[in-house]
Amino acid sequence: DTEVTQTPKHLVMGMTNKKSLKCEQHMGHRAMYWYKQKAKKPPELMFVYSYEKLSINESVPSRFSPECPNSSLLNLHLHALQPEDSALYLCASSQEHSREPYEQYFGPGTRLTVT
Amino acid sequence: TQLLEQSPQFLSIQEGENLTVYCNSSSVFSSLQWYRQEPGEGPVLLVTVVTGGEVKKLKRLTFQFGDARKDSSLHITAAQPGDTGLYLCPAGSARQLTFGSGTQLTVLP
Repeated sequence: DTEVTQTPKHLVMGMTNKKSLKCEQHMGHRAMYWYKQKAKKPPELMFVYSYEKLSINESVPSRFSPECPNSSLLNLHLHALQPEDSALYLCASSQEHSREPYEQYFGPGTRLTVT
Repeated sequence: TQLLEQSPQFLSIQEGENLTVYCNSSSVFSSLQWYRQEPGEGPVLLVTVVTGGEVKKLKRLTFQFGDARKDSSLHITAAQPGDTGLYLCPAGSARQLTFGSGTQLTVLP
């Protein structure tokens, strides 16, 4: 089973809303990632969790707040977003961070639209 | 910083044609993954190559890792519309995957 699930599939929110994106994997992976992808661009790394601890924050604005409740779950809490935050948000996991061969397994993404 | 280039950036071909896309780096890859991403979906891992000169086949797809581990190619035989997508070969490091621009492939029926 190499499946990473993400909910919701689509999300439309206003700039004053608070919402959360959820990601789950049951592969026993100890590293989980959030990426942001704009149309026709490659994914850009936002956060890395390793063994449930935040390992990398790529200078992401504080209106994005990640959380890793346990080794299988990863959340991304959204608050006071801007229209330019509209994008496809991808979750990924890997056996361990910093361990070759660096294979990451991606979820299907959440298409976020901020109005 | 590892510079990663994929070529061509865009490719549109007819069903049944063969094609090759390339991934080149300024540095040596320790390992390399190929992904395919369909519109509105996440990238799907196709293959990992780790040994210089390695060739791996996945049905009509043939992946080759350069002897010096600085480049890789993906050859598709008899392309089908289902092969349409964005092909990515990120550079892996202990910190992150760094994605190049990818190759957007369109196979026309």
